[in-house]
Amino acid sequence: DGGITQSPKYLFRKEGQNVTLSCEQNLNHDAMYWYRQDPGQGLRLIYYSQIVNDFQKGDIAEGYSVSREKKESFPLTVTSAQKNPTAFYLCASSTSGQDEQFFGPGTRLTVL
Amino acid sequence: GENVEQHPSTLSVQEGDSAVIKCTYSDSASNYFPWYKQELGKRPQLIIDIRSNVGEKKDQRIAVTLNKTAKHFSLHITETQPEDSAVYFCAASISARQLTFGSGTQLTVLP
Repeated sequence: DGGITQSPKYLFRKEGQNVTLSCEQNLNHDAMYWYRQDPGQGLRLIYYSQIVNDFQKGDIAEGYSVSREKKESFPLTVTSAQKNPTAFYLCASSTSGQDEQFFGPGTRLTVL
Repeated sequence: GENVEQHPSTLSVQEGDSAVIKCTYSDSASNYFPWYKQELGKRPQLIIDIRSNVGEKKDQRIAVTLNKTAKHFSLHITETQPEDSAVYFCAASISARQLTFGSGTQLTVLP
C-alpha cells in the first residue's frame, strides 16, 4: 500500500476557497477512488474513475470535482460549494479483475 | 442504492476471547463483501473478503460468514490480542468496484 501517496497530510482552508487534494499511485492500477470519512461514520464514495479521462459520481459528489488525465493521478478539488468540507479524505486504487482497494494515508482537511 | 448497517458500534472484549461484528446489506445483487481494519490515524487495510458464492472463509484467527438469504455477513476474530484493537468496517459491492461501507465498529481488546 506504500504505492499510493496523498498530499498534503493536513490542509487548512478558509471558507470560500477551493482546494485540491493530491493522489498519486505507482501500482499501475486502472481504477481510483475518493472517499470521505467523518468521525464515527464509515467511508462514503465521492468520485471514482475506472480508466483515464473517465470518471463517475459517487454518493456524495456535490461540491467536489475530479480529473483523470493520467493513470497515476486522480486529484480531488473541494470547491466552495461544499457546505461542510471538514473531514478526512481517503484515496484508493484497484487493478482490473481484482476487487481489493488499496488506500492512501489520507488528507485531513479543516475549514477555518 | 445499497445500504449497509453494522453492529455494534463499539465492542470491548477480554484478551483471548472472541469478537463478532455483524453487517446487513439491502441489495440482493451485492456479490463482494470485504472487511477493513483501520488503526487510529492510519489508512484502512483489507483483512479478509468473501464473495457471494462462498458461505465462509477463514484466515488464521479471522473468519467471515455470509448468509445470502438473510442478507447478512459477520466477522469473527478468535483469541483476540491487544493489537486487534482498531475500527473495523464492513462493505458490500454490486459492481465489484463501488463499495458501500458500514459505519464501523470500534473494537477494544482489554489486557
